[in-house]
Amino acid sequence: DIQMTQSPSTLSASVGDRVTISCRASQSINGYLAWYQQKPGRAPNLLIFRSSSLESGVPSRFSGSASGTEFTLTISSLQPDDFATYYCQQYDSLPTFGGGTKVESK
Amino acid sequence: EVELVESGGGLVQPGGSLRLSCAASGFTFSNYAMNWVRQAPGKGLEWVSSLSGTGAKTYYADSVKDRFTISRDNSKNTVDLQLNNLRPDDAAVYYCAKGGIRLSLLDHWGQGTLVTVSP
Repeated sequence: DIQMTQSPSTLSASVGDRVTISCRASQSINGYLAWYQQKPGRAPNLLIFRSSSLESGVPSRFSGSASGTEFTLTISSLQPDDFATYYCQQYDSLPTFGGGTKVESK
Repeated sequence: EVELVESGGGLVQPGGSLRLSCAASGFTFSNYAMNWVRQAPGKGLEWVSSLSGTGAKTYYADSVKDRFTISRDNSKNTVDLQLNNLRPDDAAVYYCAKGGIRLSLLDHWGQGTLVTVSP
């Protein structure tokens, strides 16, 4: 099985900050990496697919990048609505998720 | 607009059974794989099972293999998950999720249904 390692597990930030979340795959996933946002009591919501493609309707302050098996989600300027938990997921094979990163208010 | 609505969750004793259902609308159901993902209280996301658009191919996580069965009815736009021999560590919110351009890209999710396993 492909393991996804996400860091940090918790991130404290302020509105306006640039936020970066990392995700590493245990083997090549050919760029098939998605990022989801989840708010308490809600279902996850797809933000980015194919490592860097923005899902329709997702604000442009979200971006994704990839280098080999290392992936990054960046929020260019954190907004109040962005405090949530973020998960990476590989979909090159049957899905596996990272452990999640909770973005909390500093 | 894609909509997924789960039902069937509830309280069940260890060793018991439950059948979850997901009603889909807003897309050509038979063209897409469907998936179940669960989330234990306070924990992360865990993929449970997937089913191809035709229903011919099924996939299961090792943790549920031989206990859970996924099925779909393309005439009714529903996908079900039969949960047998439930254990306390199966307790979770179970989400139905639509597959995207690849089976495992989960592009739309339902609101989830809660399964509690307790004596």
